[in-house]
Amino acid sequence: DAKTTQPNSMESNEEEPVHLPCNHSTISGTDYIHWYRQLPSQGPEYVIHGLTSNVNNRMASLAIAEDRKSSTLILHRATLRDAAVYYCILRDVEGGSGNTPLVFGKGTRLSVIA
Amino acid sequence: DAMVIQNPRYQVTQFGKPVTLSCSQTLNHNVMYWYQQKSSQAPKLLFHYYDKDFNNEADTPDNFQSRRPNTSFCFLDIRSPGLGDAAMYLCATSRPGTGVLNEQFFGPGTRLTVL
Repeated sequence: DAKTTQPNSMESNEEEPVHLPCNHSTISGTDYIHWYRQLPSQGPEYVIHGLTSNVNNRMASLAIAEDRKSSTLILHRATLRDAAVYYCILRDVEGGSGNTPLVFGKGTRLSVIA
Repeated sequence: DAMVIQNPRYQVTQFGKPVTLSCSQTLNHNVMYWYQQKSSQAPKLLFHYYDKDFNNEADTPDNFQSRRPNTSFCFLDIRSPGLGDAAMYLCATSRPGTGVLNEQFFGPGTRLTVL
């Protein structure tokens, strides 16, 4: 799997937007970009994923650069409950099984200040 | 609610004493995964089952074994735990692909302490 690079930590004020960057300069054409987060003392949970176009869901937005070598997870209004480690993961769709295990990098630890 | 359940949440064992961690799921997913997460590190895949087909990661120690007697249950056996095996063990499930990579659903984990 192609590797991703994320800042070790970021800090945000409550109620403000947060932009979590991820670099993946060796991404291949068949790699999807997935984001998971891990709240304290819990297992990871899915946040969002995309291939080329920007994506929105109830949790977040994913902005993907035109060359796909970077992406940004956007939390529109950070809450204390969003404090977690956020993982940016590339998953290859080639082969089509849809069950490629996740390969986690170090992630970004997001702190939210009240 | 459909979910992934791990028991126990906390497990203490002695050095060298075999221990079994369990995972069950009500999602009826075909694929089940075991990850190891050491303190302040990212989760690391140990192995996974696609139905009854077992897939071991190349660098998973032989000390770690797994059993999946049916769709709902999966067990992680550590035959002779060492101090370095103290970690959070995460179970996850997913559904077979439909052309789009499906999300994995994680349990809350079992934190293993080795004395």
